[in-house]
Amino acid sequence: AQKITQTQPGMFVQEKEAVTLDCTYDTSDPSYGLFWYKQPSSGEMIFLIYQGSYDQQNATEGRYSLNFQKARKSANLVISASQLGDSAMYFCAMREANSGGSNYKLTFGKGTLLTVNP
Amino acid sequence: NAGVTQTPKFQVLKTGQSMTLQCAQDMNHEYMSWYRQDPGMGLRLIHYSVGAGITDQGEVPNGYNVSRSTTEDFPLRLLSAAPSQTSVYFCASSYHRDNEQFFGPGTRLTVL
Repeated sequence: AQKITQTQPGMFVQEKEAVTLDCTYDTSDPSYGLFWYKQPSSGEMIFLIYQGSYDQQNATEGRYSLNFQKARKSANLVISASQLGDSAMYFCAMREANSGGSNYKLTFGKGTLLTVNP
Repeated sequence: NAGVTQTPKFQVLKTGQSMTLQCAQDMNHEYMSWYRQDPGMGLRLIHYSVGAGITDQGEVPNGYNVSRSTTEDFPLRLLSAAPSQTSVYFCASSYHRDNEQFFGPGTRLTVL
C-alpha cells in the first residue's frame, strides 16, 4: 500500500479563489510529521508547511493552511486567494518516527499539478 | 549563505561508467538526504545521513554509495551507471528531522 496518496494528478483554479489539494497517508506510527512542498516549472523544491502528528492545531503559513484530520489520515493543503505564481507541482510527504534506521526517512506522494487560470 | 549546492547541474554518462554527484551545505545541518525524481513518481529517497560518519539506506539504494566524512559534504557515488539511473537527483539538508528540508537545485543525469 502506498504510504502517501495524492489522488488529484491535476487541478485547475481561478485566480483569487481558494483550492484544496488532497493528501492521505498510511501509517501505524503514533508519531509522524507531514510536509508540503511546491515545485515550480523551474525545478526547485520549496518548503510550504509542516504538521506534526501531536500538534493540536492545524498548521498555517500565510496563504497556506493544512487541514489535518488525524482520524481520516488526511492532510490536505488549502491555498487561499490563488495567484498565477502558485501554478506548480505540489508534493505531500510524511516522516515516520519508527521507519527504521535513524528515523529520518521522508516518503513523498506523486504530486498534484496545480494550474491557476487568470 | 549559499544553502545547498550541487554539482554538476547536468551530466551524461555511458553505461558502466562511474561518477560522483557532489552535495554541500553551509548551514551546519546534521541531516542530509539524496533523492531521485522520475516522471510521475514523485521523489524517492536513496540514502540519508543524520550526522558525520552516519549513513543509512532509503527506498532505492541499489547502485549508489554515500559517505559523510564532514558535516558539510554528502557525495553520492554511482558505481556502474545504468540507463535506469537516468533521473533528476536532489540533495537536501535540515537542522532537525521535523524541520523543513532545504533542497539543492538538482542534477539532471542521463545514462546512455
